[in-house]
Amino acid sequence: GAVVSQHPSRVICKSGTSVKIECRSLDFQATTMFWYRQFPKQSLMLMATSNEGSKATYEQGVEKDKFLINHASLTLSTLTVTSAHPEDSSFYICSAEAEASTDTQYFGPGTRLTVL
Amino acid sequence: AQKITQTQPGMFVQEKEAVTLDCTYDTSDQSYGLFWYKQPSSGEMIFLIYQGSYDEQNATEGRYSLNFQKARKSANLVISASQLGDSAMYFCAMREREYSGYSTLTFGKGTMLLVSP
Repeated sequence: GAVVSQHPSRVICKSGTSVKIECRSLDFQATTMFWYRQFPKQSLMLMATSNEGSKATYEQGVEKDKFLINHASLTLSTLTVTSAHPEDSSFYICSAEAEASTDTQYFGPGTRLTVL
Repeated sequence: AQKITQTQPGMFVQEKEAVTLDCTYDTSDQSYGLFWYKQPSSGEMIFLIYQGSYDEQNATEGRYSLNFQKARKSANLVISASQLGDSAMYFCAMREREYSGYSTLTFGKGTMLLVSP
């Protein structure tokens, strides 16, 4: 149980285009999902907390107009990188809370974004 | 100040030996959770073990155990009988509940474990 999928796993796009990344909880309902960003050889940095049916909560320094998050259902959250630039190239990972008692987050496999 | 500190950038261990990965944390909360995740080269984050701040016994999950010393604010991961497949980056993380009621995870910088034959 507690499986989280992400699509696509890899994406290459041209500068100025927008890219949408999907995060799905496959066998459980996730009221809350999280989006992280990870640069090479670094730790995960939380970008935003996504709640079903409400606006996402962004961490300080994260541009909400650039990283659009939509949590349309209890099993799906999407991250759209708008007008992507090369500095947006990174590994994006989503997670979902599956167990209310422990707040354990289960992670998707990640999406590697390369902006040319 | 860093909330999660992993002082070992890299660790080497021989197959079948035990290894301890260090983690110290800083929080003023009474209720918090500590997690360890494994990240192989493929990039996925694999949940290993959880310890709640009120849990009196150290958490164990198969070959993984968490040496929880609350007074020292440490939560070291012990891997017994290391296997080649254990080679990966290991992250310690802490869950605190934000004022909004949401819980967020803060990660340490990670420790790269290499298991040799």
